[in-house]
Order: sequence, then structure tokens, then C-alpha cells
Amino acid sequence: DSGVTQTPKHLITATGQRVTLRCSPRSGDLSVYWYQQSLDQGLQFLIQYYNGEERAKGNILERFSAQQFPDLHSELNLSSLELGDSALYFCASSSGGTGPNEQFFGPGTRLTVL
Amino acid sequence: AQSVTQLDSQVPVFEEAPVELRCNYSSSVSVYLFWYVQYPNQGLQLLLKYLSGSTLVESINGFEAEFNKSQTSFHLRKPSVHISDTAEYFCAVSGDWKAAGNKLTFGGGTRVLVKP
Repeated sequence: DSGVTQTPKHLITATGQRVTLRCSPRSGDLSVYWYQQSLDQGLQFLIQYYNGEERAKGNILERFSAQQFPDLHSELNLSSLELGDSALYFCASSSGGTGPNEQFFGPGTRLTVL
Repeated sequence: AQSVTQLDSQVPVFEEAPVELRCNYSSSVSVYLFWYVQYPNQGLQLLLKYLSGSTLVESINGFEAEFNKSQTSFHLRKPSVHISDTAEYFCAVSGDWKAAGNKLTFGGGTRVLVKP
């Protein structure tokens, strides 16, 4: 158990809908990261937050947004869902914002868009 | 920009045989290198990491990896595998702090299937 929790574990929804994925980092960690794992794209970095502020952005679609709250939990919002958004979404956390911080991964949320 | 190439997408191996998973990276800055393992239907677990110092790093379950700067490689090895090592292994790099924060760039993964 990494100490990072993600809810829900599974999510099935229809095209055009909006969903919210939630992540709680390990106790004391200030950074939260979101990654997408799909069969065709592999593991891709989406976005990083550090202590409530956006720190780095990857290939995140405009339909996707995220935020980190004062209690350090984070939410990833996916809207106008398409079939291609079906993937495993991982959250990870680390203690710092830059430098060689080890990232601890949650169990993931499997999103299926029908 | 950083990139990681894992040369083998699948590696079948017999139990108690050695295994090597190859990883090459590309980066314009100093890097930190990681191997993660993903067991079926689970998240990613850190196997080992190279941050600085000795170029040979070891994990608690018998894996080792060697950082080779001249060949830009970070190959993972285990002298004798067990059935329980069946999993997917990902090589990752970070280091471009200014441009990319602390993000990890992953290779495509190598699926290891250990046969009895």
C-alpha cells in the first residue's frame, strides 16, 4: 500500500459526459501528479500540482482540468468524454515539487467510456 | 525534451533463469532514472532508482540496474527470476525541472512472463 488513495476504482460512463476523479496523497506529500495509461499511448504525464499551485503540464487535453485543494487532495475533471478517453488514470504524490523526489502511485481509476 | 525507449515489449523467461530488460534514454540535462513494476490489476511500485553516486543500484528483491552515461542506458537485471516476477516493468526518467517540473517520462513497458 503506497498510501495514495484514489476513488472511484472503476467508472463507466457515456460519451459526452463529465466525470471527476479524486486523489488523496500520502500524508505529508505536497505534490500530486496525474498520469494516463492507455494501450495506444502508454503512460503519459498529464499535470502536476505542488501545494495548491500548478507546477507542470503535460499533454493534457483542454477538456481535462485539475485542481489541488487546501487539504492537498486533488481532483481531475474530464468533460465531453470521448471513447478514446477510456484509460487507467493514476495519481501519484511526492514530498517536494522539484528535484529527485520519489513518486508514490495510487491504485488507479479505470475509466470506461461507452 | 526527454524520452525513454524500452527495446523489448515482451520477454518470456523460464523460472530461475536470468533476465535483462533494456532501457535507453535521451535527455539534454542531467537525469534521474527509475524502474517501476506493475503487477496485474495494480498500480505502479518503485523497484529501484538512480539519483547519484554508485552507478549500480539494487532492489531488496534481487533486481539491479546499472546507469551507463556514455551509452545513455539503465538496464535492469535479475540473475534468477521467480514466477512472482511476472509483471510489466517500466523505465522512467526525470530531470528537466525548469521545463517539466518533476514529471516522469516513461518507456513503453516490458512485459515479463516467467514460465515454470
